Amino acid sequence: DAGITQSPRYKITETGRQVTLMCHQTWSHSYMFWYRQDLGHGLRLIYYSAAADITDKGEVPDGYVVSRSKTENFPLTLESATRSQTSVYFCASCWTGNTEAFFGQGTRLTVV
Amino acid sequence: GNSVTQMEGPVTLSEEAFLTINCTYTATGYPSLFWYVQYPGEGLQLLLKATKADDKGSNKGFEATYRKETTSFHLEKGSVQVSDSAVYFCALPDNFNKFYFGSGTKLNVKP
Repeated sequence: DAGITQSPRYKITETGRQVTLMCHQTWSHSYMFWYRQDLGHGLRLIYYSAAADITDKGEVPDGYVVSRSKTENFPLTLESATRSQTSVYFCASCWTGNTEAFFGQGTRLTVV
Repeated sequence: GNSVTQMEGPVTLSEEAFLTINCTYTATGYPSLFWYVQYPGEGLQLLLKATKADDKGSNKGFEATYRKETTSFHLEKGSVQVSDSAVYFCALPDNFNKFYFGSGTKLNVKP
């Protein structure tokens, strides 16, 4: 199916564990993004990627790692999860900043 | 850097009321401006956009005009419906194509 998909949709993990959130898009969009959504903060950019093997930090990158070995995939890893990383995570992709960004359905992550 | 500021919510209206959600921006240059909508339990989806000053974006009865002189991109709808209940986000990219979003405004429409 064409589109952008995230997995898992829901995840509960324990403090200190490593967890990876997956994002896959089928359009071959150049740009991909990871945001977190928290009450009172809207969407905050964690990391973004301009192309395969090109990534850069956003507003809140601490505690997160990304990679992009293939254009269509952009996984986000929490190396040692903390309770403050409990949030809803959205992946997005687009051609350029003047074009529409398409969002995944989100991953609700709870760190206990 | 580029940023957007939205009015605080929630906004509660009766069906058929007029809606305005304010958005002002700070930007280097003249980026495209966007409004996204998020329905409960879903990701964001594009509502409308404007690519240059004085452009009006419109979709599903919603409109927003790119005002360079007031650095604003306010969202309006003449008659809201219950189905418009959602969270609305103003957004713009920077020169590196990173998108920045406002804090979101929740709209509740009562029948």
